[in-house]
Amino acid sequence: GESVGLHLPTLSVQEGDNSIINCAYSNSASDYFIWYKQESGKGPQFIIDIRSNMDKRQGQRVTVLLNKTVKHLSLQIAATQPGDSAVYFCAENIPNTGFQKLVFGTGTRLLVSP
Amino acid sequence: KAGVTQTPRYLIKTRGQQVTLSCSPISGHRSVSWYQQTPGQGLQFLFEYFSETQRNKGNFPGRFSGRQFSNSRSEMNVSTLELGDSALYLCASSLTPSSNTQYFGPGTRLTVL
Repeated sequence: GESVGLHLPTLSVQEGDNSIINCAYSNSASDYFIWYKQESGKGPQFIIDIRSNMDKRQGQRVTVLLNKTVKHLSLQIAATQPGDSAVYFCAENIPNTGFQKLVFGTGTRLLVSP
Repeated sequence: KAGVTQTPRYLIKTRGQQVTLSCSPISGHRSVSWYQQTPGQGLQFLFEYFSETQRNKGNFPGRFSGRQFSNSRSEMNVSTLELGDSALYLCASSLTPSSNTQYFGPGTRLTVL
């Protein structure tokens, strides 16, 4: 399945490097953020999330940083592997009477060379 | 535990026809959301269902509709198909509407000729 657009920003790294993918979100009221990974032919896969009362959260090989002052989110992948090649989306949850409304960024393609 | 499943995976229709897509959420998940993904517009929210009721709706025309059954399975329907409706339609489930983490299915690739 197609998961990328014609003008997706692309980050190319070498295997073993650390990758940093950035995202600017739109709404200062957003209270929850998620990073998804989408490989070709698949739906988005949850990677890591962070609530707005935090500025950093770590997972396995991944770290998400949140800067609410400038509405910026980043995903850091340590020791990037070829299997990390995919399109990465950030999503923000805009509070709406308690129900979900995720707004997705346009995505960044990560290409990892062996 | 099985993930979100969507059927069919691929579909080809012609303009003016209608189509129904199906989504089975993760067992125990009661909230289902639908998204449209296109190269030009990215991932866009269509609607969300919980307890057989539409709780939230994105900015799509009335040709796009959906429903949810008592077992939480959901269907979406697009009537009077247009070429621009060609897209990957993704379903995501979560425990409840306030459970922000959504888990996506593989999508249905719809092509309108």
